[in-house]
Amino acid sequence: EPEVTQTPSHQVTQMGQEVILRCVPISNHLYFYWYRQILGQKVEFLVSFYNNEISEKSEIFDDQFSVERPDGSNFTLKIRSTKLEDSAMYFCASSEFNTEAFFGQGTRLTVV
Amino acid sequence: AQKVTQAQTEISVVEKEDVTLDCVYETRDTTYYLFWYKQPPSGELVFLIRRNSFDEQNEISGRYSWNFQKSTSSFNFTITASQVVDSAVYFCALLSGNTGKLIFGQGTTLQVKP
Repeated sequence: EPEVTQTPSHQVTQMGQEVILRCVPISNHLYFYWYRQILGQKVEFLVSFYNNEISEKSEIFDDQFSVERPDGSNFTLKIRSTKLEDSAMYFCASSEFNTEAFFGQGTRLTVV
Repeated sequence: AQKVTQAQTEISVVEKEDVTLDCVYETRDTTYYLFWYKQPPSGELVFLIRRNSFDEQNEISGRYSWNFQKSTSSFNFTITASQVVDSAVYFCALLSGNTGKLIFGQGTTLQVKP
């Protein structure tokens, strides 16, 4: 069964460093998303991406964040200069139509 | 405004009890989708069900059942004869608009004791 794959599963980075979280969406999907879940809290939408551009972003997704689909298979989230409060689980999701979402297993980011 | 409310923060039951997790949503859209996800201690989000706003039929899948009522903007989830493996955080989510954005509730932590 096709699935969304995220790497790494856990990343530890120093405050101020850049980090790139990687995702391989399901191959025939057209819509891509990043969500964030701070420990013990709800899952929050960050950004949606369609047709090689951002279709919607939340207030959380400020200038420190960027997304890219550098080739036909990967979808990345970059945090330019990490802060302690960026520590969270980051979920990538994809969908063929914009009426569902298939989630990856998540990347736990720890900023120290 | 679009919003999902899961008023129950934590529920604790004994194995074999039935348990209902409540979900109330707000949206002005006439077309929308509702979801339930399970998040076990390992952290991943496991898809359980999706309903669209035009289908109010209740659904049963094994020990799981869902009650969708547009009149009360609710989409409640019942686990019958709960098991220890059902222990997890359960999220209700709303999808509306044309970008596919999901709005999650705060989640309900279900603990099933043996």
